[in-house]
Amino acid sequence: AQSVAQPEDQVNVAEGNPLTVKCTYSVSGNPYLFWYVQYPNRGLQFLLKYITGDNLVKGSYGFEAEFNKSQTSFHLKKPSALVSDSALYFCAVRDMNRDDKIIFGKGTRLHILP
Amino acid sequence: DGGITQSPKYLFRKEGQNVTLSCEQNLNHDAMYWYRQDPGQGLRLIYYSQIVNDFQKGDIAEGYSVSREKKESFPLTVTSAQKNPTAFYLCASSHTALNPNGYTFGSGTRLTVV
Repeated sequence: AQSVAQPEDQVNVAEGNPLTVKCTYSVSGNPYLFWYVQYPNRGLQFLLKYITGDNLVKGSYGFEAEFNKSQTSFHLKKPSALVSDSALYFCAVRDMNRDDKIIFGKGTRLHILP
Repeated sequence: DGGITQSPKYLFRKEGQNVTLSCEQNLNHDAMYWYRQDPGQGLRLIYYSQIVNDFQKGDIAEGYSVSREKKESFPLTVTSAQKNPTAFYLCASSHTALNPNGYTFGSGTRLTVV
């Protein structure tokens, strides 16, 4: 089955520093990968996706993600973190073997320290 | 504006009672999904529906039931058979399961058993 793993439960970054939230995936075939963000007591919001094309994908709020096929990774990045970026981030993959449903990782809580 | 609405935002249930969570969308999406979110466990799929009058069990369907009588509505009933129902419940929708843009999420319902 397709899956994604987020190895870090929490990431702490000082405001203004670059941030990275890690994600690795396991799929058969070409992956459809997503990043979502969740603020407290809210639903998930779509940030960006990778389907095909350039390995560097740009998304909302200045976020980007780098697709690396050889390392099976799809890390989320931002050059300069803001306190308002503090939230829960989910990596996700479409599971081609299960009615194309999207499978979510367990989430990484990002704390931006002022 | 188009969107997906979940109600109520907070819900309290006594042990042994059934409760129904509402999910309505005006996005003309065919597919709808119910997830349960617990701290540290990410999102787990309860039920999904790809078309009116049809739905399938997800990974944790026991103790839950759904209906899909209208395209825009996908209510979730948490029955007394669900032994640990306290959680945050998220509803989502997409044009089809194959939609490359992923899912649109509601704002969630927090259910607490008292």
